[in-house]
This record gives sequence, C-alpha cells and structure tokens, in this order.
Amino acid sequence: KAGVTQTPRYLIKTRGQQVTLSCSPISGHRSVSWYQQTPGQGLQFLFEYFSETQRNKGNFPGRFSGRQFSNSRSEMNVSTLELGDSALYLCASSFDSFSGNTIYFGEGSWLTVV
Amino acid sequence: AQSVTQPDIHITVSEGASLELRCNYSYGATPYLFWYVQSPGQGLQLLLKYFSGDTLVQGIKGFEAEFKRSQSSFNLRKPSVHWSDAAEYFCAVGDPTGTASKLTFGTGTRLQVTL
Repeated sequence: KAGVTQTPRYLIKTRGQQVTLSCSPISGHRSVSWYQQTPGQGLQFLFEYFSETQRNKGNFPGRFSGRQFSNSRSEMNVSTLELGDSALYLCASSFDSFSGNTIYFGEGSWLTVV
Repeated sequence: AQSVTQPDIHITVSEGASLELRCNYSYGATPYLFWYVQSPGQGLQLLLKYFSGDTLVQGIKGFEAEFKRSQSSFNLRKPSVHWSDAAEYFCAVGDPTGTASKLTFGTGTRLQVTL
C-alpha cells in the first residue's frame, strides 16, 4: 500500500512568487492535513481538509491556503512568498477526521525562498 | 491550550545502552499521545501511540512508552539502542474531542548514537 506522496520534493522560489505543493493521501484516507516544519518554530499545524472541506486551521496568515479534491488529493498554496516561508512542508493523511485515527506523514516538500 | 515539552534538545548514548526520552504535556484531561521519529531529510514515522487503557505502550523498532497521568508524562524508552536509531524524536499530543489531524508537537530531541 503506497504511503503519502508529496510533490515536488524540493523547490526553490523567489521572494514574492507563489508556490503550490501537492499531496496524495494513502488510498482510502479522506482526511489530509498540512504542517510546516522550521528550525525556529518546529512543527506547526497549517490546516486540515476532509471531504473537500477545511475542518481546522492553524495560526497562519491568509497567504497560506489549501484545497482538497474529490479524490482526496490535496494542494496547498503559498502566495507572495517571504524568506521566512522556507521550510519543510509535511502532508499527513488519516482515514477520517475523527480523533483517535492514526495519521501518517509523507516525506515532505522542501521549499527554499531566496 | 495544549502544549508539549521535550526538555532534552540533544542526547548522546552509546550503542547498546538504554535510552529514555522525556516528554511532558499540558492538557486539561488525558490527551492522545504519540511519538514520531524523523530521520534526516525524511518525514515523520509513527513509533507508538496511546489513546487509553494499558499505560505501557509497545511500538515499533523495540520502543515503548509509559503514560503517567500524575506526572503528565509520556516518556519513550528503549532497552538497547542501535546506531540506526540516531534521528530526531518528536512527542505529540492530540485532542480527543478535536480532529485527528491537529497534533501539537514538542520541539524534538535529537539522538546521537556513538559506536
């Protein structure tokens, strides 16, 4: 059974640009969440999607957005990139959105903003 | 709001020695508790989880963790460390009344294993 797949794995963007990251959850999983990992702030929850609806949102500015498609695949977008957005962005999936389900992480997308 | 404290930023142990990584949480009730491991450049792998029941939880790779309600702790242990265990370890809590995916992570403990 394939795990959580994230693309691209590595990318470099220029300040002011926007970026879109993609995530394919484990087959059968309907909940997808996103986390940002930086050396300074650690792992922080961005948002969660379930059945194409945002169920939960972390404390990030509106430049960070996401969506989920009918096949449960998800994308996150960061507009007007800042140097501080350089991070590892991790996608995670779980069977559903109810607490008590194990969440599984992908290997992440490394974003460098220059 | 819930929070997680991992007081040890960096720990070095010799191969074959025992290991204990500390985790303390702050939460109004008993949260769901997790330990994840992250190898360099990789995502997070779940080692074990505690939801309820037996307070000693067995995980993968020979790891175990013990939930102690009185101390608000969920320490990770391994009796004999292997060089391949060198990685960063994260403790996390989840809200049983919330959604599955919103975890609060500690700052991590980096484990170095000397041969």
